[in-house]
Amino acid sequence: NAGVTQTPKFQVLKTGQSMTLQCAQDMNHEYMSWYRQDPGMGLRLIHYSVGAGITDQGEVPNGYNVSRSTTEDFPLRLLSAAPSQTSVYFCASSVRQVGSTDTQYFGPGTRLTVL
Amino acid sequence: GNSVTQMEGPVTLSEEAFLTINCTYTATGYPSLFWYVQYPGEGLQLLLKATKADDKGSNKGFEATYRKETTSFHLEKGSVQVSDSAVYFCALISNTGRRALTFGSGTRLQVQP
Repeated sequence: NAGVTQTPKFQVLKTGQSMTLQCAQDMNHEYMSWYRQDPGMGLRLIHYSVGAGITDQGEVPNGYNVSRSTTEDFPLRLLSAAPSQTSVYFCASSVRQVGSTDTQYFGPGTRLTVL
Repeated sequence: GNSVTQMEGPVTLSEEAFLTINCTYTATGYPSLFWYVQYPGEGLQLLLKATKADDKGSNKGFEATYRKETTSFHLEKGSVQVSDSAVYFCALISNTGRRALTFGSGTRLQVQP
């Protein structure tokens, strides 16, 4: 199993450009989510999905779109990049475990810089 | 809402010193508690977890006990190594609402030889 994969690892954008951060998992996990990591703030939830076709907003959804057409993939779209979106983005997946708690598995991250 | 507060860093220790990183939380329902570790240039790895009061999570010499009465989940290690240098995040998932982690701000640990 590759686990959770993310592409690209690094990206530089100009203000106003759009792009898609890719996330895929091969563990058949129902739950996937996107977080951003900023210095001194930990990780904050952007969007999440509880299964194919179902998505919802997290704490900081503005400026981002998501869709979940398959169980495996959960891309994050930046519609019009802004310098405030400079951050490290992590994708995570999990499955509910009977009698236990969800354990989220994280991808390696995408470091995005918006100039 | 849910929140996690952990001690600010950086924490600088000498090799073989005792480590404590404090973590307290506020949550609805009965949360599960986690410690994640992030080594330089890498993603987050689950270090340990506890799912109910008085549970002790442990891994790689690290321990944390779920204290409901003090709403705490402090991370400890008896003897740190240079290889433990990383950023440590305390986090929770509530058993009500969405299944997403709420993170603390992270504590950077630097261990000197």
